[in-house]
Amino acid sequence: DQQVKQNSPSLSVQEGRISILNCDYTNSMFDYFLWYKKYPAEGPTFLISISSIKDKNEDGRFTVFLNKSAKHLSLHIVPSQPGDSAVYFCAARRLSGGYQKVTFGTGTKLQVIP
Amino acid sequence: EPEVTQTPSHQVTQMGQEVILRCVPISNHLYFYWYRQILGQKVEFLVSFYNNEISEKSEIFDDQFSVERPDGSNFTLKIRSTKLEDSAMYFCASRPSGGLEQFFGPGTRLTVL
Repeated sequence: DQQVKQNSPSLSVQEGRISILNCDYTNSMFDYFLWYKKYPAEGPTFLISISSIKDKNEDGRFTVFLNKSAKHLSLHIVPSQPGDSAVYFCAARRLSGGYQKVTFGTGTKLQVIP
Repeated sequence: EPEVTQTPSHQVTQMGQEVILRCVPISNHLYFYWYRQILGQKVEFLVSFYNNEISEKSEIFDDQFSVERPDGSNFTLKIRSTKLEDSAMYFCASRPSGGLEQFFGPGTRLTVL
């Protein structure tokens, strides 16, 4: 049951260009969406989030867009830097009985080429 | 900056053996989680823990798995009788009350032979 899908397993972008990572979801009960970044041999680290009632959230070079009618979100990184090379996980949160459960996508491996 | 720590970084065990994976969450956090990631696959939720009890668990978290907070700092995941398919990276995470972000540890790589 893949409630959160990242259909692109990998993406290569030139340094300085825009990276766009996409994510689709199926469960309309999700109230927050998060992006996590993961380097090899490390745990995921939180990058940016967006509430389901918003359509955009920006933090420096990172912007997340949410299209609730299409159940789609995307992470834009502008400009992309070599240090951004990592696996990016889209995640979605829902509350269940007052507790939160986070469902992760399969991840997209971003390579930023210098 | 406080961080979640996990030990060991790599655990190798024989099929059928019991393993205990250890985590020290961030000290003022109240919600604790275990996830696993089989090589090349997504990060999968296993269990969440709050106020000394399981708050939610996935279908993966069967009777072979248990979690415990034996003291004020450690949070452990026990696999009673390991199977080959338990081989994965296991991540512990913690979250403060009212917070959205979960803070992840570096993971324990479990290899079952």
